[in-house]
Amino acid sequence: KNQVEQSPQSLIILEGKNCTLQCNYTVSPFSNLRWYKQDTGRGPVSLTIMTFSENTKSNGRYTATLDADTKQSSLHITASQLSDSASYICVVSVVGTYKYIFGTGTRLKVLA
Amino acid sequence: DAGVTQSPTHLIKTRGQQVTLRCSPISGHKSVSWYQQVLGQGPQFIFQYYEKEERGRGNFPDRFSARQFPNYSSELNVNALLLGDSALYLCASSLGRHLDEQYFGPGTRLTVT
Repeated sequence: KNQVEQSPQSLIILEGKNCTLQCNYTVSPFSNLRWYKQDTGRGPVSLTIMTFSENTKSNGRYTATLDADTKQSSLHITASQLSDSASYICVVSVVGTYKYIFGTGTRLKVLA
Repeated sequence: DAGVTQSPTHLIKTRGQQVTLRCSPISGHKSVSWYQQVLGQGPQFIFQYYEKEERGRGNFPDRFSARQFPNYSSELNVNALLLGDSALYLCASSLGRHLDEQYFGPGTRLTVT
């Protein structure tokens, strides 16, 4: 069964600290993996998109890594800010389809 | 340029009723996708339309249907509403190619009582 699991479910960190969020997937055959940021009550906003041939991609203070062999991805946030408080969702799509499988997300809270 | 717009913002219906949700994509985008997000969970893929044709479907019952119009706007219909249909319904638009960015609207919050 195609699944995307994220950990931790929730995380609290102090402003200025770094953190890493994890995503494990069983989707096969894998096409691409995306990370989204979703503020409460709003639609998700794309952070990164990676294909199976890409190992890392950055977007400002956000850096995503992908290991297609172990089917794991991580999202690293550097020098966190209060505005980083949100849910971060990992999404994987299947080759040959336009079907997107979402993880349940990691809820990040950054405290002053 | 306007982003993805959805209407209505909020909606309250009773069990057994039918509902229609609307989505207008970003200008130039030919693909629209619909997602259901239950509180505390990630979105679940319902449909994707491209050039007015259904291109992908998630694991939702036949009570859920959608269509895309010549101007690329889209409607999601849900019949015989159940309490479990209460959720945030998100629409996303893209140019339509596999690796294209998806841009999400603010969603429609549906409450079924």
